[in-house]
Amino acid sequence: GNSVTQMEGPVTLSEEAFLTINCTYTATGYPSLFWYVQYPGEGLQLLLKATKADDKGSNKGFEATYRKETTSFHLEKGSVQVSDSAVYFCALRRVSGNTPLVFGKGTRLSVIA
Amino acid sequence: DVKVTQSSRYLVKRTGEKVFLECVQDMDHENMFWYRQDPGLGLRLIYFSYDVKMKEKGDIPEGYSVSREKKERFSLILESASTNQTSMYLCASSTGRRIGELFFGEGSRLTVL
Repeated sequence: GNSVTQMEGPVTLSEEAFLTINCTYTATGYPSLFWYVQYPGEGLQLLLKATKADDKGSNKGFEATYRKETTSFHLEKGSVQVSDSAVYFCALRRVSGNTPLVFGKGTRLSVIA
Repeated sequence: DVKVTQSSRYLVKRTGEKVFLECVQDMDHENMFWYRQDPGLGLRLIYFSYDVKMKEKGDIPEGYSVSREKKERFSLILESASTNQTSMYLCASSTGRRIGELFFGEGSRLTVL
């Protein structure tokens, strides 16, 4: 079946450090891939997406590239800020059929000044 | 901006009580979803709906039911609350064309004593 595996957290970084949160997926066909972010006390919000192989999604300094050969969609940011502290969720959706998103378990990021 | 409003941020109920969680969206979205979020388990889909009066079971529907009498409103019902239903409940909506791009409410934290 379809599934998403994220690196376990928590991840703690100093301000201005480089961030990578790993995400790999298992899916039939060619899914669309997403990263969502949940700031403290809030619901999730879409951070970025990619709909086909080699697409790069980007937003707010975050990037992720859809790698079909490694079935991965790792989230990266060159220089994190304290305000990036949140829980990050990787998700996929099969394009064929009317199927909802499948989420990973989430990775908590804490950035310290 | 799309707004998804959940009726209660915090609820405390007793075992056996009937619990209603209400969700309203204001952007005429066709699709609505109910997830529960638990530490270490991420988001799990309870029920979803792609149209008025339509519902589909998600991954963990046992102990829950839903109602969608109007397009903008999607209610989650716990017929007889149990302690293992203590959780954060998240409602989300999306357009028919962009099922994967969800807009979430802020969540309802339910405690069952």
